[in-house]
Amino acid sequence: DAKTTQPNSMESNEEEPVHLPCNHSTISGTDYIHWYRQLPSQGPEYVIHGLTSNVNNRMASLAIAEDRKSSTLILHRATLRDAAVYYCILRDSNGNKLVFGAGTILRVKS
Amino acid sequence: DTGVSQDPRHKITKRGQNVTFRCDPISEHNRLYWYRQTLGQGPEFLTYFQNEAQLEKSRLLSDRFSAERPKGSFSTLEIQRTEQGDSAMYLCASSSGTRSYGYTFGSGTRLTVV
Repeated sequence: DAKTTQPNSMESNEEEPVHLPCNHSTISGTDYIHWYRQLPSQGPEYVIHGLTSNVNNRMASLAIAEDRKSSTLILHRATLRDAAVYYCILRDSNGNKLVFGAGTILRVKS
Repeated sequence: DTGVSQDPRHKITKRGQNVTFRCDPISEHNRLYWYRQTLGQGPEFLTYFQNEAQLEKSRLLSDRFSAERPKGSFSTLEIQRTEQGDSAMYLCASSSGTRSYGYTFGSGTRLTVV
């Protein structure tokens, strides 16, 4: 399984944008980039995914580098409810399972 | 259909006892996954089903663990002769199966073996 590298933790101020980076230098041409987040005491929650083009949804934006070796999850205005562990995951080459790393702990300060 | 349901939410058991957890996926999802998560770690894959067929099992899944998905609907995960090291959050997820779609996770069952 192709692996991702994320910072252990990041901190943001409330109401400010947050850029969560992810490196995936061994990504294959058919791997989708998925982001999930996990709030305390809950299961992971799907945030967004993409293949090559940048993607936007109501939760976040995903910016994918042209060479696809890195991506950035963008939360446009962080709130206290966005404090969570954010996981960047490459969908398994045969699509069978998600392989989670340790993720990035995002802390949001009021 | 409001999402993936897991039961129970919490389970405390004595070492050596057997426990069984249940997962009800989103009804139109044909794939169902089990993960285990310990404190401070990301979820670890255990096994997955496509409909009623169990297609992959992790090496983490020892002989004491068994999972079933009769009729391709709900699934059960049983742990026999529990050990303290089995204490963890057990998460279930379902998906439509294609690579481009996301998973929907349940809230998990927290197992404590004393």
